[in-house]
Amino acid sequence: LAKTTQPISMDSYEGQEVNITCSHNNIATNDYITWYQQFPSQGPRFIIQGYKTKVTNEVASLFIPADRKSSTLSLPRVSLSDTAVYYCLVVFNAGNMLTFGGGTRLMVKP
Amino acid sequence: NAGVMQNPRHLVRRRGQEARLRCSPMKGHSHVYWYRQLPEEGLKFMVYLQKENIIDESGMPKERFSAEFPKEGPSILRIQQVVRGDSAAYFCASSLSPRDPGNTIYFGEGSWLTVV
Repeated sequence: LAKTTQPISMDSYEGQEVNITCSHNNIATNDYITWYQQFPSQGPRFIIQGYKTKVTNEVASLFIPADRKSSTLSLPRVSLSDTAVYYCLVVFNAGNMLTFGGGTRLMVKP
Repeated sequence: NAGVMQNPRHLVRRRGQEARLRCSPMKGHSHVYWYRQLPEEGLKFMVYLQKENIIDESGMPKERFSAEFPKEGPSILRIQQVVRGDSAAYFCASSLSPRDPGNTIYFGEGSWLTVV
């Protein structure tokens, strides 16, 4: 079963840059990579989406190497409010199932 | 999350009762997905539906759980004869189509089921 793999948790301090990597070895040609942020008692919130190379928006950057077997979410200058669980999602064409990884629990400390 | 509406947000049921969770997708979206999240765990796929069709229910328990997405109205996730282990957050998501390149899936705020 195709799946994504992320680190279980990460710690950081306010003002630092945080990079969270997701591996998705079975990604298919047409699959996009999407990252979500989830706070306790809330639904996952869309952060950023990309196909290859680099994508940047007002909150994050997404780096995808040429082989697309992994992706890295980069959060610049994190604050305490960035403490959350971050999920990467790839639509695997092998099936209709949208498979989430286990998520990365980011803890930002003062 | 704007646009995917779930209700109720919180639901308490006694063991053996039925729970019905509703999801209205974003305007224009015809694909709906249901996920379950147990406390301190990740999101587990349950079922993927299009209007009037179940496309993939491989993540749905074979007994007591059912889902529908009628031509008119919201998608419904139904849990019969609930047990304590059904206590979880149930998230609905919607999209235009998962296979359209760059299509984005948006989530609702979830329905929290507590079985007492």
